[in-house]
Amino acid sequence: AQSVSQHNHHVILSEAASLELGCNYSYGGTVNLFWYVQYPGQHLQLLLKYFSGDPLVKGIKGFEAEFIKSKFSFNLRKPSVQWSDTAEYFCAVTPVSGTYKYIFGTGTRLKVLA
Amino acid sequence: GAVVSQHPSWVICKSGTSVKIECRSLDFQATTMFWYRQFPKQSLMLMATSNEGSKATYEQGVEKDKFLINHASLTLSTLTVTSAHPEDSSFYICSAPLAGEETQYFGPGTRLLVL
Repeated sequence: AQSVSQHNHHVILSEAASLELGCNYSYGGTVNLFWYVQYPGQHLQLLLKYFSGDPLVKGIKGFEAEFIKSKFSFNLRKPSVQWSDTAEYFCAVTPVSGTYKYIFGTGTRLKVLA
Repeated sequence: GAVVSQHPSWVICKSGTSVKIECRSLDFQATTMFWYRQFPKQSLMLMATSNEGSKATYEQGVEKDKFLINHASLTLSTLTVTSAHPEDSSFYICSAPLAGEETQYFGPGTRLLVL
């Protein structure tokens, strides 16, 4: 069965610390990969996405993610977090079949201490 | 950018009543929309795919008679929770893909509390 795993459920960091959130998926075919962020009281917003090409993808607000096909992983990184990065982060996968159906990970709640 | 709205943002209802939630794509047309349900501290679970002009496609385990979906126009999909019960209390989120981007845009969600 298709699934997406996010191993870190809660992460607490101090400002300026580096961030890496893990995402692993289980799917036999080609996928598109996404990271979404949900700030408190707001809707899901796209941080970045990977369809093909360079496996290192840069997104908004200084975030980046690396697709490692052999590990079925798409980890999110940011060199130096800010208090405003406090939010919930969701990894999502969709098979490259044009259905747009997303499979979401369980989410990681990040709290950045000022 | 593409904007998706939902109405209402929150609703409280008595057990046994029906509740309708609207999802609108404000600046683009969407032949397909998706409805998700999010329980506290859990991920988004896809409930159904709403198809303009045809029947919705429900995910396994989702009761189609309980969660009625209507996609009457290219910018509006509605989810009606019929005969709501406390266990239906949840956060309901819709999304719509923007053609050519293969990316979904999400509404702000509707929090339903059934007493």
